[in-house]
Amino acid sequence: GQQLNQSPQSMFIQEGEDVSMNCTSSSIFNTWLWYKQDPGEGPVLLIALYKAGELTSNGRLTAQFGITRKDSFLNISASIPSDVGIYFCAGPGTASKLTFGTGTRLQVTL
Amino acid sequence: DGGITQSPKYLFRKEGQNVTLSCEQNLNHDAMYWYRQDPGQGLRLIYYSQIVNDFQKGDIAEGYSVSREKKESFPLTVTSAQKNPTAFYLCASSPGLAVFFGPGTRLTVL
Repeated sequence: GQQLNQSPQSMFIQEGEDVSMNCTSSSIFNTWLWYKQDPGEGPVLLIALYKAGELTSNGRLTAQFGITRKDSFLNISASIPSDVGIYFCAGPGTASKLTFGTGTRLQVTL
Repeated sequence: DGGITQSPKYLFRKEGQNVTLSCEQNLNHDAMYWYRQDPGQGLRLIYYSQIVNDFQKGDIAEGYSVSREKKESFPLTVTSAQKNPTAFYLCASSPGLAVFFGPGTRLTVL
């Protein structure tokens, strides 16, 4: 099935650092979603984007809908240990189903 | 509280046995989904249902079966035909495009 490409695949950062990750698609999307999965849990929706160029924040998280509509970016400022997890982007796939990215695994060290 | 419940959290079965994973939602969502996640991997769609008494195969349906007799329930049976059943199974429901996940069931086949 179709997949979105996320990068980086994994990140090891120190507490307090800022984090940037991105997601690219070969198709134009009209919606981008970002999820976070804590270890051993189901993913939780963080941010939804509906318009090219849109910038949306949720606490220390900021996501942007790329102008080309083929990419999206997620930034985390001043990371803390509970930011550890896997971050997935998602967008509309075929038959009204979501297509998920491959995930970015974030590790935060003290 | 509204949400999606999956039970049990951990499940152990002997090779060759069928096993059914439970998923219930009280969000009044029409659509429900089953995903499989392997260690360090993304989310792969097994089956989905957009309405009661109807369901469709996802990307990796072989060795799995589902039913959707009630709006609230979407059980997944992992049959003995599934060659590598050990994985983390996530149920989700959706009112539209964004999906909302349950806590997951970790199935280990010994």
